[in-house]
Amino acid sequence: DQQVKQNSPSLSVQEGRISILNCDYTNSMFDYFLWYKKYPAEGPTFLISISSIKDKNEDGRFTVFLNKSAKHLSLHIVPSQPGDSAVYFCAAISNSGYALNFGKGTSLLVTP
Amino acid sequence: DTAVSQTPKYLVTQMGNDKSIKCEQNLGHDTMYWYKQDSKKFLKIMFSYNNKELIINETVPNRFSPKSPDKAHLNLHINSLELGDSAVYFCASSQNRLAGELFFGEGSRLTVL
Repeated sequence: DQQVKQNSPSLSVQEGRISILNCDYTNSMFDYFLWYKKYPAEGPTFLISISSIKDKNEDGRFTVFLNKSAKHLSLHIVPSQPGDSAVYFCAAISNSGYALNFGKGTSLLVTP
Repeated sequence: DTAVSQTPKYLVTQMGNDKSIKCEQNLGHDTMYWYKQDSKKFLKIMFSYNNKELIINETVPNRFSPKSPDKAHLNLHINSLELGDSAVYFCASSQNRLAGELFFGEGSRLTVL
């Protein structure tokens, strides 16, 4: 039973343009959301997070938007760079949970 | 200095064998985890230990046994390996049991032939 879903397995974007990665969740108890980035043969690394009391969090080129009513969040990368090419995992947890629930990941390719 | 390190990085073995994967973190974190990434790419929690105490044990066959000798180490022992155990196993740690930001190791790719 997958509670965090990333329905796009892959995305290709030109350098300099905006990348938008989407994530949906089913558990209304989730109140903290994270994005992780993963390069091949490496472990996932934390990128950005958002609490359910906010609807937007920005860190440099990365912005996460949360729409609680739609149970949807998105990661915007602007401008996209070739070094952003990686797999991006969405994750979520409730305040009573002890482990992150991950989506399946979206593979982003930024082309020059 | 690697924050979360796991060994071996690659492991190829025959069905029925027993193998172990070791994990160490030097971040001073209280909580450690084992996640499994299978062929469908899902990252699923297997176990979590907080200060050497087991706090999460998902539906995992009892052939898998975690061991935490101290809070900086969490090893994973697998008995009687099966083909379906082939996956990448990630160790991770977090500051405390209310898992927020996790720090992952590089992963250990297990192939069972």
